[in-house]
Amino acid sequence: DVKVTQSSRYLVKRTGEKVFLECVQDMDHENMFWYRQDPGLGLRLIYFSYDVKMKEKGDIPEGYSVSREKKERFSLILESASTNQTSMYLCASSAGVPLGTDTQYFGPGTRLTVL
Amino acid sequence: GQQLNQSPQSMFIQEGEDVSMNCTSSSIFNTWLWYKQDPGEGPVLLIALYKAGELTSNGRLTAQFGITRKDSFLNISASIPSDVGIYFCAGRGFNDYKLSFGAGTTVTVRA
Repeated sequence: DVKVTQSSRYLVKRTGEKVFLECVQDMDHENMFWYRQDPGLGLRLIYFSYDVKMKEKGDIPEGYSVSREKKERFSLILESASTNQTSMYLCASSAGVPLGTDTQYFGPGTRLTVL
Repeated sequence: GQQLNQSPQSMFIQEGEDVSMNCTSSSIFNTWLWYKQDPGEGPVLLIALYKAGELTSNGRLTAQFGITRKDSFLNISASIPSDVGIYFCAGRGFNDYKLSFGAGTTVTVRA
């Protein structure tokens, strides 16, 4: 079974703090993704990575950065947390090849609250 | 990515009933995925479809990849209380890593 784990299930931070969300997958997947999920807005892609040290912006990258130093680990960084970044953050991974049958598997999510 | 048109938005169903929901897109997709999300958890993959016209089952769940490549539906037969949750569709176009998602269908089962 594909296993995607996220470092925290719940996190409370203060405005202005630097926040790290970690995601690890154990299936040697090429692609990894970070989403945020908000009521009424669905899942929105923040960043994704298709290889180590490679990244691409998703639909809402502002206020976020990412790091992928190792294939199995993809980190989401909030440089200076703001209250509008309070959300559920979901990490996903996919094998990437062949693209025609690529499927994304999600982690359990991190509920971040910024006070 | 675009947001897919998923309907219905929510449904209350009687235990034992069959349930149907669908998803449409303005673009052609080569993959349709259906996920279920329980409160406070991440989405769990239910069914993956890779071929137009494909009909795939997973227990009491059946999903189909529409012939036009612009739609998909999910059926749940003989619903039970643990079917409660939010069901999402997702689709991916050719040569695209990214998924587009529906807004979700919230299913509540009346015992």
